[in-house]
Amino acid sequence: GAVVSQHPSRVICKSGTSVKIECRSLDFQATTMFWYRQFPKKSLMLMATSNEGSKATYEQGVEKDKFLINHASLTLSTLTVTSAHPEDSSFYICSAFHGAGNTIYFGEGSWLTVV
Amino acid sequence: AQTVTQSQPEMSVQEAETVTLSCTYDTSESDYYLFWYKQPPSRQMILVIRQEAYKQQNATENRFSVNFQKAAKSFSLKISDSQLGDAAMYFCAYRSPLGGANSKLTFGKGITLSVRP
Repeated sequence: GAVVSQHPSRVICKSGTSVKIECRSLDFQATTMFWYRQFPKKSLMLMATSNEGSKATYEQGVEKDKFLINHASLTLSTLTVTSAHPEDSSFYICSAFHGAGNTIYFGEGSWLTVV
Repeated sequence: AQTVTQSQPEMSVQEAETVTLSCTYDTSESDYYLFWYKQPPSRQMILVIRQEAYKQQNATENRFSVNFQKAAKSFSLKISDSQLGDAAMYFCAYRSPLGGANSKLTFGKGITLSVRP
């Protein structure tokens, strides 16, 4: 079946550096992907909609200069957390829209720890 | 805008018993999809069940079934013969049947289900 892979699953970075998380659709083309952030025991908060070949659409309150999203190919979207701070530490999860099945598939998620 | 409400933050069920998780939603659309997702400690999002609003018949997947009340905008999940592996966080979610950017999911706050052996 359709699979979405997210990498890395865990990353630790130093405060002030940037870190990139990849979301890849393995066996289908995804023109639309979504990035979520999730705090412990909380719901998934949509950060942005990633559109292949165009700019991402950010949700209100999400800093687009801090959370850079690039969707340069039909199978890959990346989320770059720039100038990371400890408060950016969180679980980030992506999903991809599979048009043929009209279905959403989730990646495994990425734990980001900023020290 | 659509909203999804899960008012119970936690529930507990005895192993082998049945439990029902509640969800209500608000929308002005006539067609939409509703979902229940399971998120175990691994944090992987697992689709439990999907209901299309135009279908009157309640969806069923093995031990999982829903009670979809469109007029009341209610979408509860029933787990029968609860197993220890059912312990997880459960999210109710809504989305448009349209694709692309319109396919984004709106989630409820979630409910933590524990299963007592």
